[in-house]
Amino acid sequence: EVQLVESGGGLVQPGGSLRLSCVGSGFSFNQDWLSWVRQAPGKGLEWVANINQDGSGKYYVDSVKGRFTISRDNAKNSLYLQMNSLRAEDTAIYYCARDHHGSDYWGQGSLVTVSS
Amino acid sequence: DIVMTQSPDSLAVSLGERATINCKSSQSILYSSENKNELAWYQQKPGQPPKLLIYWAYTRESGVPDRFSGSGSGTDFTLTISNLQAEDVAVYYCQQQHRVPNTFGQGTKLEI
Repeated sequence: EVQLVESGGGLVQPGGSLRLSCVGSGFSFNQDWLSWVRQAPGKGLEWVANINQDGSGKYYVDSVKGRFTISRDNAKNSLYLQMNSLRAEDTAIYYCARDHHGSDYWGQGSLVTVSS
Repeated sequence: DIVMTQSPDSLAVSLGERATINCKSSQSILYSSENKNELAWYQQKPGQPPKLLIYWAYTRESGVPDRFSGSGSGTDFTLTISNLQAEDVAVYYCQQQHRVPNTFGQGTKLEI
């Protein structure tokens, strides 16, 4: 059974940092692109970033460029999102997803709240 | 960036009837070498992550009931839900995976 499990969310002050993790199981982790998608409270889905199989290709939405960094450790079946200089508008549930003809598997999400 | 625009924002359909949701991309999302449109449809119920329904605009994901169908090409796409069931109440999103950022539509809320 394919599973993606996020962790690392929480409450952080504006300007602070947080690192999200996503551990995958039940599939060949090093063979798929992976994405982070977020959803602000009561709002729609927003694609944040994705990364290719070996981590050499990384892409971001403009609003997080220079502040967020996506990375992966295939030996640990893990995907990461390092989030710096956090803003109130980054408050959202952050989902990791496997990209395989659409995003076919999603984690349950990790809530990030940016507030003083 | 490719802008994805869904219509309507919300709709109410009776049980057993048909629901139609449209999605328009601001530019073609055709992957020409495979002649496939890089368009996916998702269903999201409250408190749950999105669920992939359709990819390549018309290919149903494994396990998805055949009441769900996708169509369209180029810039105009449609998700059709036939014989609407109570469990189909959800928000539906389209997403293009042709160019980064892989943008989503704003969502369509389907009610009974």
